[in-house]
Amino acid sequence: DAKTTQPNSMESNEEEPVHLPCNHSTISGTDYIHWYRQLPSQGPEYVIHGLTSNVNNRMASLAIAEDRKSSTLILHRATLRDAAVYYCILRVLGRVGKGGSEKLVFGKGTKLTVNP
Amino acid sequence: DSGVTQTPKHLITATGQRVTLRCSPRSGDLSVYWYQQSLDQGLQFLIQYYNGEERAKGNILERFSAQQFPDLHSELNLSSLELGDSALYFCASSVGGTGENTIYFGEGSWLTVV
Repeated sequence: DAKTTQPNSMESNEEEPVHLPCNHSTISGTDYIHWYRQLPSQGPEYVIHGLTSNVNNRMASLAIAEDRKSSTLILHRATLRDAAVYYCILRVLGRVGKGGSEKLVFGKGTKLTVNP
Repeated sequence: DSGVTQTPKHLITATGQRVTLRCSPRSGDLSVYWYQQSLDQGLQFLIQYYNGEERAKGNILERFSAQQFPDLHSELNLSSLELGDSALYFCASSVGGTGENTIYFGEGSWLTVV
């Protein structure tokens, strides 16, 4: 199974940038890298995803290494509302021709603490 | 609001019993996923359905079963419940078909087995 490795926890100060790393050395060529976050007592929330190129959206940026074996989620200015567990996920496609077959593997996640 | 609806939100039951968790996916989504999150544990993938058919299976116990109905809602059946089955069960949905689609999670069903 494709797996991801993330630090258990990270800490940041409010309004400072945060770089959340993820290693996925067994990633395959068709696997998308997704990031989700989970606030306490809530369901996970989509943050960003990418395949090969760096990606930006209103929430964050995703930097993907050239060999795709690691990626970094960048929160440009952390706020207190960004305190959550961040999950790096590989969207693993199933057998060729079996449309819709996906196996989703979550890492342990990184608990981000944002200090005021 | 993600658009994924799960019922019940909370459930307390005794060991040995059977429960059914229900999930209504977002309108238009064909894929439904079930996850289990125990206390202090990460999200464990259980099973995925796509348009009524099982598409991927994770660490789902034999005591657990799921199905997706023609109207695309899904049910997760948990039987012969044990204390260790106490967890938060999430349903998620996506359009499905590729690894690019965003997955939307429901708020979860809290199951407590006593």
